[in-house]
Amino acid sequence: ETGVTQTPRHLVMGMTNKKSLKCEQHLGHNAMYWYKQSAKKPLELMFVYNFKEQTENNSVPSRFSPECPNSSHLFLHLHTLQPEDSALYLCASSPSGSRDEQYFGPGTRLTVT
Amino acid sequence: GQSLEQPSEVTAVEGAIVQINCTYQTSGFYGLSWYQQHDGGAPTFLSYNALDGLEETGRFSSFLSRSDSYGYLLLQELQMKDSASYFCAVLLGGRRALTFGSGTRLQVQP
Repeated sequence: ETGVTQTPRHLVMGMTNKKSLKCEQHLGHNAMYWYKQSAKKPLELMFVYNFKEQTENNSVPSRFSPECPNSSHLFLHLHTLQPEDSALYLCASSPSGSRDEQYFGPGTRLTVT
Repeated sequence: GQSLEQPSEVTAVEGAIVQINCTYQTSGFYGLSWYQQHDGGAPTFLSYNALDGLEETGRFSSFLSRSDSYGYLLLQELQMKDSASYFCAVLLGGRRALTFGSGTRLQVQP
């Protein structure tokens, strides 16, 4: 039990669909992250939120839209995706401040058809 | 720019010792972390080095040399369950975001 949950665990969507990924952390952390993990590529940071404020957008296409309504929840809204967006999307959280350790959720395996 | 390099695959036998190296080129380096990820699982934190030297946690140790932009993860008394991918990651000054290496797949054989 990592304390970070993600739903759904698997998602198949067409290029014209709109869907959302959800992440929830039960650790009392104040920072939350979205990462993309593709085969044969390093884990790529997408977005960082700290105290509900977006502090980093790593040049992510606008078809990915994050939302952080509070420090415990993080969403990733998806629309008009491309097949190359198929990947494992991982959410993570960490305490605010100087601690480095990040706690990852199990991920959502996304397939875009 | 930023880059991290680590070997793509390492194979070792049960009970052995294996060292996974990581070299990095970054600006504003703050610290080096290691994460483990089993197939189908989430990355889990193993260690963090901000200062030069060796940090030991049970069978796992991590080393950092800031002057050489180099670190390694040392796994001792290997067990089958240690078969996984191991990622080094750097925490850059002024950011809370990790930049990850491409991972080293460790296969432990009987």
